[in-house]
Amino acid sequence: GAVVSQHPSWVICKSGTSVKIECRSLDFQATTMFWYRQFPKQSLMLMATSNEGSKATYEQGVEKDKFLINHASLTLSTLTVTSAHPEDSSFYICSALTGNYEQYFGPGTRLTVT
Amino acid sequence: EDQVTQSPEALRLQEGESSSLNCSYTVSGLRGLFWYRQDPGKGPEFLFTLYSAGEEKEKERLKATLTKKESFLHITAPKPEDSATYLCAVQASNSGYALNFGKGTSLLVTP
Repeated sequence: GAVVSQHPSWVICKSGTSVKIECRSLDFQATTMFWYRQFPKQSLMLMATSNEGSKATYEQGVEKDKFLINHASLTLSTLTVTSAHPEDSSFYICSALTGNYEQYFGPGTRLTVT
Repeated sequence: EDQVTQSPEALRLQEGESSSLNCSYTVSGLRGLFWYRQDPGKGPEFLFTLYSAGEEKEKERLKATLTKKESFLHITAPKPEDSATYLCAVQASNSGYALNFGKGTSLLVTP
């Protein structure tokens, strides 16, 4: 199957700082990637759709100025959490869309804001 | 509004005790139904995609089936290593390929 990586796997940052998470498709090109958020014991909630070379599409209730998404190449999308606060602590997972429209997920990034 | 409901919420099986997980869905137009396995602290692992009613797919001890209203994930003679959360998701034809996930079924298989 297709392989998607994320970096870092976990990060701790102080309140008010920004943190960048990278999502890479390793063995295929992805014009579309997705960013999800998962709270403990809950399912995945779609935050935004990232399209290569264009602006991301955000789901209702997701602040686009807080969660900056850049999809600069066919294998890399980044999510930057700006001015992070403790309530932003969560498990962030990206996925990449293959040519036959299946989504393969990265291993996730655990963000803790202190 | 699209909805995905999984049942049961949690399931405990003895090793070798076969069972089925259910995923009921309502969607304006189904492009595909996806099953994933998720282990604690990890991203979902792709299992199956089903596209039309009557379709079935198998992988080792798992078999997924699809009707117009629900999907089943059958687990035959499970082993402890099958313990995980199983997630069902639908991809609507007007969703731009995004997935709408159910809450998952947490499966525990005991020796």
